[in-house]
Amino acid sequence: NAGVMQNPRHLVRRRGQEARLRCSPMKGHSHVYWYRQLPEEGLKFMVYLQKENIIDESGMPKERFSAEFPKEGPSILRIQQVVRGDSAAYFCASSPPGQGGYGYTFGSGTRLTVV
Amino acid sequence: TQLLEQSPQFLSIQEGENLTVYCNSSSVFSSLQWYRQEPGEGPVLLVTVVTGGEVKKLKRLTFQFGDARKDSSLHITAAQPGDTGLYLCAENSGGSNYKLTFGKGTLLTVNP
Repeated sequence: NAGVMQNPRHLVRRRGQEARLRCSPMKGHSHVYWYRQLPEEGLKFMVYLQKENIIDESGMPKERFSAEFPKEGPSILRIQQVVRGDSAAYFCASSPPGQGGYGYTFGSGTRLTVV
Repeated sequence: TQLLEQSPQFLSIQEGENLTVYCNSSSVFSSLQWYRQEPGEGPVLLVTVVTGGEVKKLKRLTFQFGDARKDSSLHITAAQPGDTGLYLCAENSGGSNYKLTFGKGTLLTVNP
C-alpha cells in the first residue's frame, strides 16, 4: 500500500517562474492537507482539500498561491511568480474522512529552492 | 492559536543513554500527537494521546499526557543512533478536527 507520494522531491525555480507541486494521497484517503516548513518557523498549515473542494485555505498566502484537488489525479499546490521567501519544504499529508485530527500520513515533501 | 513550546531545542547524547523531551502549552490540548522527522523526509506519526494522564508505550518510547492535558513528554530508553531525528508535537488548532499546530521540535542526535 503506497504512502503519500509527492513529486518532485526537489525543485529549483528562478524568481518569477511558476512552481507546481504534486501530491497523491494514500489509497483510501480522500482528504489532503498542505503544510510548509521553514527553517526557523516549523510546520505551518496552508490548506485542506477534499476532492473538488477547498475546505480551509486560511493558511495560504493571499496572492500567488493556489491549490486544487481534482476529481481525477493528484492534488496540486501552485505558486506563481516565485520569490526567494518561498524557498521551503512543502509537505502534503492525507487522512481518511474525519480522521485528520488523530494524525496524518505525510509524504516525503518537495524542497523548493528559488534562485 | 495555541503555541506549543518544546524543550530542549537540541539534545546530543551517547548511545545507550535515556532522555526525555517535553511539549507544553498554556492552554488545554484536545489531543496531542508526536511525530519524528528524519532529515530530508516528512514527519512520521508516532502516537496520538487523548486522555489526561494517559501513558502509551511504543517499544523503547514512552509517551505521557499530563493530567491537566496541558503538557506531554516523550521518554526514550537506551537511545540508539536510529532514534536520531526531529521530534515534533502537534495539537488540533482550536479544537479543529483537521488542522494541526506544530511545535518547533527537539532535534535529537544519538552518537554511536
